[in-house]
Formats: sequence, C-alpha cells, structure tokens
Amino acid sequence: EAGVVQSPRYKIIEKKQPVAFWCNPISGHNTLYWYLQNLGQGPELLIRYENEEAVDDSQLPKDRFSAERLKGVDSTLKIQPAELGDSAVYLCASSIRTGEGELFFGEGSRLTVL
Amino acid sequence: GEDVEQSLFLSVREGDSSVINCTYTDSSSTYLYWYKQEPGAGLQLLTYIFSNMDMKQDQRLTVLLNKKDKHLSLRIADTQTGDSAIYFCADYGNEKLTFGTGTRLTIIP
Repeated sequence: EAGVVQSPRYKIIEKKQPVAFWCNPISGHNTLYWYLQNLGQGPELLIRYENEEAVDDSQLPKDRFSAERLKGVDSTLKIQPAELGDSAVYLCASSIRTGEGELFFGEGSRLTVL
Repeated sequence: GEDVEQSLFLSVREGDSSVINCTYTDSSSTYLYWYKQEPGAGLQLLTYIFSNMDMKQDQRLTVLLNKKDKHLSLRIADTQTGDSAIYFCADYGNEKLTFGTGTRLTIIP
C-alpha cells in the first residue's frame, strides 16, 4: 500500500514569490492534515479536512496561506507571497477518520525562502 | 491552549535502556501517542496508550502513564543504533493532536 506522497521534497524561492505543495493521501483516508514543522519543533496543525470540507483552519494564516482539497482526495497548500519566516517543513498526513491520533505522515516538503 | 513538553536531548549507550519523558496539560486527553522521526523523513507512529491505562508494553517498547501528574514516558529496552531519531510525544483531545518539541535520542557505541 502506498503511503502519503508529497511533492516537491525541496523548494527554494525568493521572498514574495508564490509556492505550492501537493499531497496525495493514503487511499480511503477521509481525513487530511497539513502541518508546519519549524526546525527543532514539533509539528503544528495548519488545517484539517474531512473529505473536501476544511473543518479546522483556525491556525492557517489566511492572509497568505490557502489550501484546497478538491474531490476529497489530493490537496494543495499555497503560500502567496512567501516570507522569510515561512522557511520550514510542510508535512501532510492522513487518517482513516477523525477521532483518533493515528496519523500517517508524508516525508514533507522543505521550503527555504531567501 | 494545550501544552506538551519534552527534554530536547538524550544520549544512551548501545544495549542500555532509553527513557524519554513527556508532560502534558490537557485534561481532556483521550489517547497519548509516541511518534518517531528519522532524518529527512515524516513522523511514524510507534505506539499509543489510552488515557485510562497506566502501562502498555509492545516488544521493546514500554509506555507508562501517570494521569494524575500528566506524565508520560517511553522506555526502549536494549537500545540499538537504529533507534537514533527524534521522538515526539503527542496528546489527543478535543479532536486535536498536539505534539511536543521532540527528544533527539543519540546512541553511543
């Protein structure tokens, strides 16, 4: 069974440029999460989807971040414009359902903003 | 908000036991988890414990939970070089999984 797939693995951009990350969750997993992981820190939730509905986006900086999960499968996370402080690893995870903490993580997309 | 704290570093000799500690503040936690992150990889679930249990054993892993003190520990018996990683404690409550800062485990040959 394929795991959670993310791309790109690495991205280097200049500040004020846009960037997008893509995630393909495990087949059949209805719940999808985007987490932000700063260096030396634990993951912090940005947004959680139940199928195609964003049910918790309270921590997503909506002035520059946006996300979508069309058709309730793949998801994209976009930052526009990127700032220096956005340099981090963006992790996607999925689970069969909400109500438990057994998440399956992708390898992450490491963003460097110059 | 919820807070989960861990010490940042732990060094252990190969073959010894490792004990990684964690404290949390959320009284509504239903499950507590241990995740492992190897370099350049995502997090991988190691084990978990339900909040009404005080111990769970799974091969080399033993989880102890002191709910009164909100203290969780992970013991790895016979630590091997492959156990080198960052270990994250996480608590699940109010439909949210909150992670600690992670403990980097280094194995000394």
